[in-house]
Amino acid sequence: AQTVTQSQPEMSVQEAETVTLSCTYDTSESNYYLFWYKQPPSRQMILVIRQEAYKQQNATENRFSVNFQKAAKSFSLKISDSQLGDTAMYFCAFMKRPNSGYALNFGKGTSLLVTP
Amino acid sequence: DVKVTQSSRYLVKRTGEKVFLECVQDMDHENMFWYRQDPGLGLRLIYFSYDVKMKEKGDIPEGYSVSREKKERFSLILESASTNQTSMYLCASRIAINTEAFFGQGTRLTVV
Repeated sequence: AQTVTQSQPEMSVQEAETVTLSCTYDTSESNYYLFWYKQPPSRQMILVIRQEAYKQQNATENRFSVNFQKAAKSFSLKISDSQLGDTAMYFCAFMKRPNSGYALNFGKGTSLLVTP
Repeated sequence: DVKVTQSSRYLVKRTGEKVFLECVQDMDHENMFWYRQDPGLGLRLIYFSYDVKMKEKGDIPEGYSVSREKKERFSLILESASTNQTSMYLCASRIAINTEAFFGQGTRLTVV
């Protein structure tokens, strides 16, 4: 079975600070995709960043970056210069195997609160 | 911009009713998905569809069925709604397997 674990149900960070959300996953595959999605109070799920497992370079999107450790099966999200608008649920997701249609398998989420 | 539209944001239904949740995407996406979101459980896959008239069970298909008669529309059906199906339902679509999935805004269903 392929699982995604987010060990931090809730986190809090002050505006302008840096925060790291952790994610680990379990798979026997060698090539796969990992994603971080954000769900603000509006409920709209938005892609934050994606990582292809065969790429060694960590993905970066503006203030968002990942630390991808393939051997450790770890995929953490770093948010730099946190803003109030970053307050949201963050979900780590792993793309499943063919017999599940390559659907996204999600972790349980981390609720991030950015405070002034 | 890609748009995935779910027919209702909030829905209240009675136990035993047949419930239809509709999802429409406007970008000719091949793949469509239905997820259920519950606090502390994240998103769980109910059903997915590769293409028109094609459907496959996800992790929690019991009590649900789906229909995809046209490429742009993927419907989730609760044959006989029960209170344990009270939840947030999210629809998603994407062009291909290695591309971004786009989500609708969710339907919060309450079964009383």
